[in-house]
Amino acid sequence: AQSVAQPEDQVNVAEGNPLTVKCTYSVSGNPYLFWYVQYPNRGLQFLLKYITGDNLVKGSYGFEAEFNKSQTSFHLKKPSALVSDSALYFCAVRDASGGYQKVTFGTGTKLQVIP
Amino acid sequence: DTGVSQDPRHKITKRGQNVTFRCDPISEHNRLYWYRQTLGQGPEFLTYFQNEAQLEKSRLLSDRFSAERPKGSFSTLEIQRTEQGDSAMYLCASSFRDSINEQFFGPGTRLTVL
Repeated sequence: AQSVAQPEDQVNVAEGNPLTVKCTYSVSGNPYLFWYVQYPNRGLQFLLKYITGDNLVKGSYGFEAEFNKSQTSFHLKKPSALVSDSALYFCAVRDASGGYQKVTFGTGTKLQVIP
Repeated sequence: DTGVSQDPRHKITKRGQNVTFRCDPISEHNRLYWYRQTLGQGPEFLTYFQNEAQLEKSRLLSDRFSAERPKGSFSTLEIQRTEQGDSAMYLCASSFRDSINEQFFGPGTRLTVL
């Protein structure tokens, strides 16, 4: 079974400060990991993914995430938060073994960037 | 707009009625996914298609739910004998070849069962 946990329902950060949104995962094999963002009244949008290779992954809008196998984590980061980054962020995982296509999403973390 | 579209955007129905939702994926995408999202939760996988073949189904997909993608293009999700617990946002997504590729999500269909 595969699962993902986002321990924080909400993260508040001041504009211009660095932000981190936490994600941990559980899979039986190797993971494929994803971050998606959901703005109000809009569909989910892909931010970035880790498949293999470099543990630091860079994505859209200046976001990056670091894959840490020993800690089974894939935290989302951005050096300087913008008010426009305020949205709902979802971490997702898929087990690389078994050939299944199912992607499991976390419960989401609401990011509030304070001006 | 060449993104994923879903119709209708909102559906209100009475308990026991049947409803059908439609999803039009991005044209060159052969993978199509259905998810359900309730308030405070992330999207929950329901099923996926590769072209016209339905290859995975979640245990969430009871026998009241059926999905089709008859020509490998648009897809429909039907819920028979709706229950209040079916109230949720139903999301459709598509991807090129494999779910390790970016999934493009539609705006969703919000179902309310009275």
